Amino acid sequence: DQQVKQNSPSLSVQEGRISILNCDYTNSMFDYFLWYKKYPAEGPTFLISISSIKDKNEDGRFTVFLNKSAKHLSLHIVPSQPGDSAVYFCAASAIPRGIQGAQKLVFGQGTRLTINP
Amino acid sequence: DAMVIQNPRYQVTQFGKPVTLSCSQTLNHNVMYWYQQKSSQAPKLLFHYYDKDFNNEADTPDNFQSRRPNTSFCFLDIRSPGLGDAAMYLCATSRRANYGYTFGSGTRLTVV
Repeated sequence: DQQVKQNSPSLSVQEGRISILNCDYTNSMFDYFLWYKKYPAEGPTFLISISSIKDKNEDGRFTVFLNKSAKHLSLHIVPSQPGDSAVYFCAASAIPRGIQGAQKLVFGQGTRLTINP
Repeated sequence: DAMVIQNPRYQVTQFGKPVTLSCSQTLNHNVMYWYQQKSSQAPKLLFHYYDKDFNNEADTPDNFQSRRPNTSFCFLDIRSPGLGDAAMYLCATSRRANYGYTFGSGTRLTVV
């Protein structure tokens, strides 16, 4: 039972164009969503997040959109740069939390983004 | 720089031979998590500590144990590794009210 799904294992985009990574979830108790970026041989690093009370959050070239009715979120990167080539994980945090309110993230399988020069 | 360090980066162990993976942090975060990630799959939470309080996920096999002797260190013990336990093991930390995880680089476990 996979609660967070990234249905595209890979995506190839030309440098300078927009990259759109998609994520679907099934658990209506999720109230916070995050995107992580992972380079080979490194741990995932936090990229951007969005609360369920919003439908958009922007940080420089990165924008996350949340459609609660569709249980869908997407990450837009524009313009795409070669350094954006990495695996991107979508993650969600659910109520109830862990002990003493510690958040527990549920991850998708990841999408490998390749930016072509 | 404050960080999360996992040792070793690569671990080979024999089928059935106990193995321990290590995670340390200099961030002084209250919460430490262990995730298992098998090839091309989503990272899966095994358990977490809030300070010394341990929280096991319901579907984490009994074969997996954890220890947190102090704020800085957390260990993952696999009592009798099977071939299906071969995976990347990720340690992460966070503050209670902060939604950001800081991950270590992971330990790739091979079982032979």
